[in-house]
Amino acid sequence: NAGVTQTPKFQVLKTGQSMTLQCAQDMNHEYMSWYRQDPGMGLRLIHYSVGAGITDQGEVPNGYNVSRSTTEDFPLRLLLAAPSQTSVYFCASKALQGNTEAFFGQGTRLTVV
Amino acid sequence: GQQLNQSPQSMFIQEGEDVSMNCTSSSIFNTWLWYKQDPGEGPVLLIALYKAGELTSNGRLTAQFGITRKDSFLNISASIPSDVGIYFCAGHRAGGTSYGKLTFGQGTILTVHP
Repeated sequence: NAGVTQTPKFQVLKTGQSMTLQCAQDMNHEYMSWYRQDPGMGLRLIHYSVGAGITDQGEVPNGYNVSRSTTEDFPLRLLLAAPSQTSVYFCASKALQGNTEAFFGQGTRLTVV
Repeated sequence: GQQLNQSPQSMFIQEGEDVSMNCTSSSIFNTWLWYKQDPGEGPVLLIALYKAGELTSNGRLTAQFGITRKDSFLNISASIPSDVGIYFCAGHRAGGTSYGKLTFGQGTILTVHP
């Protein structure tokens, strides 16, 4: 009963480094998304995907890349990490038809120094 | 930018009190969802609303989908210490260029004093 799995849970990066946050779901959901959570800002959508091979930008896409080569995986890439990207990142997935409950991973706490 | 306006931003209440929070939007949503986030965890769904005017309960929680489809509220009755957390509203539009996209409010931080 895995649901949405995010790795790593914690990460510290130096400015300018790159890394990939992993997200995998085993519910065969078409929709997957990445949010960042900052104090007083709620959950802001970075990128989302409605199916393999299809991605689109959310509210705050700059500095992040995504790809969706399979239904299960939706990695988020930071190419040149900046301190402004220090945040907690959540991946979520949901079905597109029927009930639209989104299931969240446990989050990745990223610090860029 | 963010399309959902959630209020209040924070609440400090005594155990046993009732709580009310709401979300408004400039856009019409087809689905309203209410989530709770515990510290160090991802948000978990509390209540889902799918029809305008719908009133749904889940234990001590009650939520309503506004008639205009631009607002929703969540009530918590007889609060207990484990109600502490951040509550988020979220809206989903089923058509157009935002198909599938889920938008969140800024969150309401709830503190319950025993």
